Amino acid sequence: AQTVTQSQPEMSVQEAETVTLSCTYDTSESDYYLFWYKQPPSRQMILVIRQEAYKQQNATENRFSVNFQKAAKSFSLKISDSQLGDAAMYFCAYRSAFNAGGTSYGKLTFGQGTILTVHP
Amino acid sequence: ETGVTQSPTHLIKTRGQQVTLRCSSQSGHNTVSWYQQALGQGPQFIFQYYREEENGRGNFPPRFSGLQFPNYSSELNVNALELDDSALYLCASSLGAGELRYTGELFFGEGSRLTVL
Repeated sequence: AQTVTQSQPEMSVQEAETVTLSCTYDTSESDYYLFWYKQPPSRQMILVIRQEAYKQQNATENRFSVNFQKAAKSFSLKISDSQLGDAAMYFCAYRSAFNAGGTSYGKLTFGQGTILTVHP
Repeated sequence: ETGVTQSPTHLIKTRGQQVTLRCSSQSGHNTVSWYQQALGQGPQFIFQYYREEENGRGNFPPRFSGLQFPNYSSELNVNALELDDSALYLCASSLGAGELRYTGELFFGEGSRLTVL
């Protein structure tokens, strides 16, 4: 079974500065998706960025970028030029790219989350 | 494009009762999955439906059951409620894995907050 670990329960950053959130995962699969989701107090999970494991190039979306280290099974999120609206709980998540058999097909496996506070 | 909508947003039940939560998937999506999120925790996978069939299930007892309808909307039913069932229940929709535009991404609703007293 896959596991996702976020070792930072809380992080804080000053507005306009850069912060990195850590995520490690464990899997025996070679092809999969990794995601960072943001969950503000409004509760809705919003996709921040996604990475396909077969792509070596790190994904970027505007101020958000990842450092994907497949061999190390590490997937960190960097937020540049932090804004007050970035404050939220951030979840790292894993999804198999194919039906691995059994009954867990299609599921997202989430980490425990990191609460990000942005100070003005 | 209509997003994922869930109802009700909040509800309170007592132990032993039954509850039904509803979800309308995003337009064009044929796959719906449900997650339970305890306070301060990451969501846990309950099950997934694809074209009206359950095709994936997490470690939840049989009193958690579901349906998917021909329009791909879905229900989550929980029988014999226990105090530990108090949580935010999230519905997510996506394309099926074989679909041309499949990206693996799930699109989430705002959730239904269930409190069991």
